[in-house]
Amino acid sequence: QKEVEQDPGPLSVPEGAIVSLNCTYSNSAFQYFMWYRQYSRKGPELLMYTYSSGNKEDGRFTAQVDKSSKYISLFIRDSQPSDSATYLCAMSEVGGRRALTFGSGTRLQVQP
Amino acid sequence: DAGVTQSPTHLIKTRGQHVTLRCSPISGHKSVSWYQQVLGQGPQFIFQYYEKEERGRGNFPDRFSARQFPNYSSELNVNALLLGDSALYLCASSLEGQNYGYTFGSGTRLTVV
Repeated sequence: QKEVEQDPGPLSVPEGAIVSLNCTYSNSAFQYFMWYRQYSRKGPELLMYTYSSGNKEDGRFTAQVDKSSKYISLFIRDSQPSDSATYLCAMSEVGGRRALTFGSGTRLQVQP
Repeated sequence: DAGVTQSPTHLIKTRGQHVTLRCSPISGHKSVSWYQQVLGQGPQFIFQYYEKEERGRGNFPDRFSARQFPNYSSELNVNALLLGDSALYLCASSLEGQNYGYTFGSGTRLTVV
């Protein structure tokens, strides 16, 4: 079983839709939770990070962490064709081996 | 400001050969990490270096090695290449002590034939 599970998609939505992306994890030591966006043939780009449980909002993006359920989400409001990309969740411990553990990524396609 | 720069961008090697990949971190970032991303998968941690010392190592064979130089740039070396080493190799830089928010380069795409 992988430490971080993420639905690979692809997820296809019309422009303007609300998108929900999710990851589950098994390692209770994870304290930092991140969402990266990766366009084809590019490196991952950090969208947001949160520490421990709670919500964080940045423009059209909202990240939620529920540590009791070991479940994190990213919501995208008013989705745009430019949001079409692969979204990767990533997690890390405080201290430890200083590594990010990634999900396998969800491919999102926003149709104009 | 320049981001994380990696070279080369693409590389084709033959099985059994050796490869060296290079990375320059963001100015002011003293920590460099290496990740391997196989097509259709998320990146997997290989190494992290800070001040020329290895701070963490992932589950990769000894054929993989790395080092960091006084200017904080880094090299990833892979010996005895296998077909399964074909992947996008990503370098990320960060501030010391930061376990989140790493900035990634665009990667080196390695194809082993």
